[in-house]
Amino acid sequence: DAKTTQPPSMDCAEGRAANLPCNHSTISGNEYVYWYRQIHSQGPQYIIHGLKNNETNEMASLIITEDRKSSTLILPHATLRDTAVYYCIVTRVSTSGTYKYIFGTGTRLKVLA
Amino acid sequence: NAGVTQTPKFQVLKTGQSMTLQCAQDMNHEYMSWYRQDPGMGLRLIHYSVGAGITDQGEVPNGYNVSRSTTEDFPLRLLSAAPSQTSVYFCASSRQGHYDTQYFGPGTRLTVL
Repeated sequence: DAKTTQPPSMDCAEGRAANLPCNHSTISGNEYVYWYRQIHSQGPQYIIHGLKNNETNEMASLIITEDRKSSTLILPHATLRDTAVYYCIVTRVSTSGTYKYIFGTGTRLKVLA
Repeated sequence: NAGVTQTPKFQVLKTGQSMTLQCAQDMNHEYMSWYRQDPGMGLRLIHYSVGAGITDQGEVPNGYNVSRSTTEDFPLRLLSAAPSQTSVYFCASSRQGHYDTQYFGPGTRLTVL
């Protein structure tokens, strides 16, 4: 399974865009990039995912480089409620049809007032 | 829909005791999984299931048993609790497919003395 590397922590001013990088240099062609976040001790919450094209939803944008070795999660207007640990995950379906997520240690984003 | 529910929310055990953590989902999801999260670390996959009657091991399966007799329920059993199993346990579910997002429960905080 492809591994991911993220910076341990980042700060962002409230109202500004938060750009969270993720390196996944060993990603394979059929592996998706997923982003989740965990606020306090709650269960992780899905944010967005993509394969090779950039994606956008109501929460965030995902930019994947052309070689797919890295990606960036963008929160366009960060609020205090976006303070959380953000996890970048690479996952794929195996030949038996199963798949699993491998979480890393994530990036702790602190949004500052 | 209640989504993914977990019981109990908190539990204290003595070394050697056994117990079952309950997980249920009402979304008719085929895929269910159990993770543990230790302080300052990401989530680690314990066991997962791709459907009723089918289970498989994740990263850290030792000391835990699972079964999947119905689509809705996926209990996690600790046969002989050890202090190393002190952790927060999260259950998750998703529809079958590598592109599907996972929905996490609120977690069970377990302390083994």
